[in-house]
Amino acid sequence: GAVVSQHPSRVICKSGTSVKIECRSLDFQATTMFWYRQFPKKSLMLMATSNEGSKATYEQGVEKDKFLINHASLTLSTLTVTSAHPEDSSFYICSARRGQRVSYNEQFFGPGTRLTVL
Amino acid sequence: SQQGEEDPQALSIQEGENATMNCSYKTSINNLQWYRQNSGRGLVHLILIRSNEREKHSGRLRVTLDTSKKSSSLLITASRAADTASYFCATDRQAGTALIFGKGTTLSVSS
Repeated sequence: GAVVSQHPSRVICKSGTSVKIECRSLDFQATTMFWYRQFPKKSLMLMATSNEGSKATYEQGVEKDKFLINHASLTLSTLTVTSAHPEDSSFYICSARRGQRVSYNEQFFGPGTRLTVL
Repeated sequence: SQQGEEDPQALSIQEGENATMNCSYKTSINNLQWYRQNSGRGLVHLILIRSNEREKHSGRLRVTLDTSKKSSSLLITASRAADTASYFCATDRQAGTALIFGKGTTLSVSS
């Protein structure tokens, strides 16, 4: 149990287009999902916290109008990179927190989406 | 953010040797977790240690936590070529909040 999927796994797009990345919790309900990005040979940087039914909370320096996050259901959060530019090329990873009990903050990570903007 | 620092950044060892990676963080934490990431792939959760624990074992993994020094170490014993990966520590300030990742240690185990 506790599987998180991401779709697509890889995407190549032209500069100026928008790309949507989906993060799904397959066998549990995730009231909170988190989005990270990772540059080559670097660590994961938290972009935003997504709570079901409410607006996402973005980290300092992350443009909310550029990285649109929607968490419309307990099993799906989407990240849309709008008007993508080559510098948005990165590895995007989501994680989902299971359930309401947060005693030890169990989170499950998706396999990541590699975005390449030409 | 309280991104941690891993030490060393890169580590190369021979199969059978032990590998030790260290992680330091800046603020108080709820838990500390270690993850592994193969090149270009997702994260694999290795082990979680709570802030009131000092040591934890899981198979060939041993994790220690020193909250007074705000540091943790991950020991992999009898390493194998398949252990080659990047290892990250991650902390959370409060239960339910996002994980903040350290910079990672890239481990290379040669046979």
